[in-house]
Amino acid sequence: DAGVIQSPRHEVTEMGQEVTLRCKPISGHNSLFWYRQTMMRGLELLIYFNNNVPIDDSGMPEDRFSAKMPNASFSTLKIQPSEPRDSAVYFCASSLSARIRGNVLTFGAGSRLTVL
Amino acid sequence: DQQVKQNSPSLSVQEGRISILNCDYTNSMFDYFLWYKKYPAEGPTFLISISSIKDKNEDGRFTVFLNKSAKHLSLHIVPSQPGDSAVYFCAATDTGKLIFGQGTTLQVKP
Repeated sequence: DAGVIQSPRHEVTEMGQEVTLRCKPISGHNSLFWYRQTMMRGLELLIYFNNNVPIDDSGMPEDRFSAKMPNASFSTLKIQPSEPRDSAVYFCASSLSARIRGNVLTFGAGSRLTVL
Repeated sequence: DQQVKQNSPSLSVQEGRISILNCDYTNSMFDYFLWYKKYPAEGPTFLISISSIKDKNEDGRFTVFLNKSAKHLSLHIVPSQPGDSAVYFCAATDTGKLIFGQGTTLQVKP
């Protein structure tokens, strides 16, 4: 199993540009999570999906952020327009089901975003 | 409104000694707790977990203790090894979504 695959690993862009981060979860996993890591807040949950349906997007910081999961094997996190304060490492994670007690997430390697 | 807090940003210990990492939470509804370890340029990986019906769970050199009345959990690593140097995140859940703390950077010196 290749694990959770994220792309790009690094993205440098200018303020105002659109950024799209991509994630391929582990096959058979029904839940997918997007987190953002910052020094101050650690790992913040942005949004998560169960069976491709968004369940909780209360962590999405602003309307500039959007996430989609068109099928069980692909998800995107989009920032439009991007701002310097969006610079962070964005992680995607998947699990068998967020409804399982003791749900263990498997994380991807992350996408490091730098907005100049 | 940080529901899971790790108040020590960093910890340094000598190889062979015990490492103790602490975590506090505020939400009494949390019923499952996990620790993740993260190396640079990698994603966090699951380390150990504990259910709220227990107060201790052990896996090799790693032991997690839970004190529900104090809303506090800790991770003990004995003996510490240089390869344990990483960022450690505690996480809590009651609904399936994991809420993480800020992380503690552990450095184990040879």
